[in-house]
Amino acid sequence: AQSVAQPEDQVNVAEGNPLTVKCTYSVSGNPYLFWYVQYPNRGLQFLLKYITGDNLVKGSYGFEAEFNKSQTSFHLKKPSALVSDSALYFCAVRDPSRGNQFYFGTGTSLTVIP
Amino acid sequence: KAGVTQTPRYLIKTRGQQVTLSCSPISGHRSVSWYQQTPGQGLQFLFEYFSETQRNKGNFPGRFSGRQFSNSRSEMNVSTLELGDSALYLCASSPTETSGRNEQFFGPGTRLTVL
Repeated sequence: AQSVAQPEDQVNVAEGNPLTVKCTYSVSGNPYLFWYVQYPNRGLQFLLKYITGDNLVKGSYGFEAEFNKSQTSFHLKKPSALVSDSALYFCAVRDPSRGNQFYFGTGTSLTVIP
Repeated sequence: KAGVTQTPRYLIKTRGQQVTLSCSPISGHRSVSWYQQTPGQGLQFLFEYFSETQRNKGNFPGRFSGRQFSNSRSEMNVSTLELGDSALYLCASSPTETSGRNEQFFGPGTRLTVL
């Protein structure tokens, strides 16, 4: 069973507009949730994580994500997109009940149009 | 601190050959994980090592193996290469803990092409 789903392969947004990259998960208990970004020919860079506490998590480069337990979602957001935000974004979940193994989504390619 | 380093960055092999990839984690990190990244499948977990012991293993055939040394450096080996093994292989390290709360730090990857 897939643990993490990113329903959109591609997201396009105009520069200056708000952006959302969606992520849903399907693990039991209280998972740990992460967002990573990948630029061309680079490894993944950590953006933010939710472990516990406030459902709104703030991370690097002005990104934030909202944990919604009832909808099992962890969408990535940014109020005003920059062209330099164009990259591949991965959502990941770590399931404490399954040996803390990381499960990654298939990625969402974000393009910010000038 | 220096980041996660992977060598080599690029490899070209032919079917049937074997290959060894190397990963040096961030100093002080004892957990090393390996992933295969392909355009259609995203990141697929291969295995995780912690203190020289394999702690988790993904759903890959036995042709894929790994090990970790006492200095936490890790190697991954793929034997009898197939065309489908062409991918970006990523290594990631985490601090020494078992709670699962820490993020992983990724290396730049090794691009393997099998001809």
